[in-house]
Amino acid sequence: DTEVTQTPKHLVMGMTNKKSLKCEQHMGHRAMYWYKQKAKKPPELMFVYSYEKLSINESVPSRFSPECPNSSLLNLHLHALQPEDSALYLCASSVLTGTGGNTEAFFGQGTRLTVV
Amino acid sequence: GEDVEQSLFLSVREGDSSVINCTYTDSSSTYLYWYKQEPGAGLQLLTYIFSNMDMKQDQRLTVLLNKKDKHLSLRIADTQTGDSAIYFCAEIPLSGGYNKLIFGAGTRLAVHP
Repeated sequence: DTEVTQTPKHLVMGMTNKKSLKCEQHMGHRAMYWYKQKAKKPPELMFVYSYEKLSINESVPSRFSPECPNSSLLNLHLHALQPEDSALYLCASSVLTGTGGNTEAFFGQGTRLTVV
Repeated sequence: GEDVEQSLFLSVREGDSSVINCTYTDSSSTYLYWYKQEPGAGLQLLTYIFSNMDMKQDQRLTVLLNKKDKHLSLRIADTQTGDSAIYFCAEIPLSGGYNKLIFGAGTRLAVHP
């Protein structure tokens, strides 16, 4: 099983709503990631979790709140988003190594978020 | 600094070979990757190459690495319409933390009959 599963596939939310994106993997990967991808652009890293602890936050606004409740699950809680936050949100996971070895990342299909 | 550059668009005829080029800046990168993204979909890892290799072949895919020039290329033999997608090269520079995948802008490959 090399699958990363994201739900929901599509989400439309108002600027006052609170919603959550979910990501799940059962590959035993101890690194999990959130990326944001705007149309016609490459993915941009938002957060990295290593061993269920936040290890990288790329200066993401606090209206995005990640959570890693266990080694298989990664959530992204959304609150008071802006229309410019509309994008494809991608989750990924990889093996952790300590020496920069191959940490090929497996991506989910993404959640297409529209903020109205 | 961390920067990965790609040409933005490539158009090829079905059955021809496609060559997608990429340059990267961080020589500390141990592995370099090629991802494929079809419209509305996530990223699919196509192949990767270890930095001490010059070439890697995997069925229709050939990856060439020129570490001196920091140049990476992906050749797709016998290109098919199903190969139409955006192709991203990516690196994990040690300077950026070994978990931080840096993507190029992506090359949109269009395959026509």
